[in-house]
Amino acid sequence: AQTVTQSQPEMSVQEAETVTLSCTYDTSESDYYLFWYKQPPSRQMILVIRQEAYKQQNATENRFSVNFQKAAKSFSLKISDSQLGDAAMYFCACGEYGNKLVFGAGTILRVKS
Amino acid sequence: GAVVSQHPSRVICKSGTSVKIECRSLDFQATTMFWYRQFPKQSLMLMATSNEGSKATYEQGVEKDKFLINHASLTLSTLTVASAHPEDSSFYICSASRTEGVKNIQYFGAGTRLSVL
Repeated sequence: AQTVTQSQPEMSVQEAETVTLSCTYDTSESDYYLFWYKQPPSRQMILVIRQEAYKQQNATENRFSVNFQKAAKSFSLKISDSQLGDAAMYFCACGEYGNKLVFGAGTILRVKS
Repeated sequence: GAVVSQHPSRVICKSGTSVKIECRSLDFQATTMFWYRQFPKQSLMLMATSNEGSKATYEQGVEKDKFLINHASLTLSTLTVASAHPEDSSFYICSASRTEGVKNIQYFGAGTRLSVL
């Protein structure tokens, strides 16, 4: 069974600064994906970034990047130049190809102006 | 692309009423859809995996007779909460799996808030 742990219930960041959200996971699968989803107050789940486990290169999407440490089973999300619109609940998730996702408990990110 | 529509967004009903929630993939075909439940300030918990043309696979502890899932086409899955009671009040979210190359990525609907009085 897969498990995903987000140890930070809440984080704060000053606008324009950088913040890192932590995530660790455990899986017995050799092929799997890792994801970060954002859930704003509207509660719509938005895919932020994804990482294939077989790829060594860390994924990046504009201001969002990950630090994927496969041996340590760690998958942190870095948000650079934080904006007010980044404020949301962030979920880390692990899944097999085409199969169900297991989500972490989430981290509330607050952005201060 | 990859738009998933979920309807209705909000339902308020009396105890004992059955409620149907629809999940549609608007611009792609989804052989697999997923149904999640989310309590306030908590994570998403998978309820069931819905495969087109076959019976849904329910997670442990989810009552299949209470949460009826029908995946009648490649673009539509429905979740019916049978004889809803106040403890069924929650936020329900669906997702549809889209094939992108050799990968399948889940895209989410906007969710349905169910309040049972």
